[in-house]
Amino acid sequence: AQSVAQPEDQVNVAEGNPLTVKCTYSVSGNPYLFWYVQYPNRGLQFLLKYITGDNLVKGSYGFEAEFNKSQTSFHLKKPSALVSDSALYFCAVRGSQTGANNLFFGTGTRLTVIP
Amino acid sequence: IAGITQAPTSQILAAGRRMTLRCTQDMRHNAMYWYRQDLGLGLRLIHYSNTAGTTGKGEVPDGYSVSRANTDDFPLTLASAVPSQTSVYFCASSPTGALNEQFFGPGTRLTVL
Repeated sequence: AQSVAQPEDQVNVAEGNPLTVKCTYSVSGNPYLFWYVQYPNRGLQFLLKYITGDNLVKGSYGFEAEFNKSQTSFHLKKPSALVSDSALYFCAVRGSQTGANNLFFGTGTRLTVIP
Repeated sequence: IAGITQAPTSQILAAGRRMTLRCTQDMRHNAMYWYRQDLGLGLRLIHYSNTAGTTGKGEVPDGYSVSRANTDDFPLTLASAVPSQTSVYFCASSPTGALNEQFFGPGTRLTVL
């Protein structure tokens, strides 16, 4: 079985401050982890992924995520938040069901960047 | 512009009616997926297709069916809609391979009364 948990429904951060959106995972086998962002009334957009290699993954719009195997975490980070970063963020792990390359998503974290 | 289109954008449907949600992609991706998004539950996979002519069941397939007659189209059908199928439905596609990211359509907001 596989799952991801996003412990915070809502994260508020002041513009210019660093931001962190938390994600922990549970998976049998190698973890393939993804972050997506959803803006209002839009579909999900891919931000970044961890497959193997360097634990610090860099993605779109200045976001990065740190894979930590011992803590089974894959937190999303950005050094300096922008108001335009306000959106709903989803962590996801690739399923282990044979034949299905689908993703299992967390419940989402709403990020609000305060001007 | 390359991407995924979904139709309709939104729909209000009486319980018991049949409804087909349309999804078309022009990226020539082999794999396609249908998810539903519900508050507090995130996105859950309904059905998937790894290539034209094949389909598979996801996490919540009951009450839904799909077909994949060609690479571009992946319609989702609710044979007899029920209120619990009120949700936002997203279609997605990806190149072949589990490590590739998925591209999502804009979604269909469905309300079943």
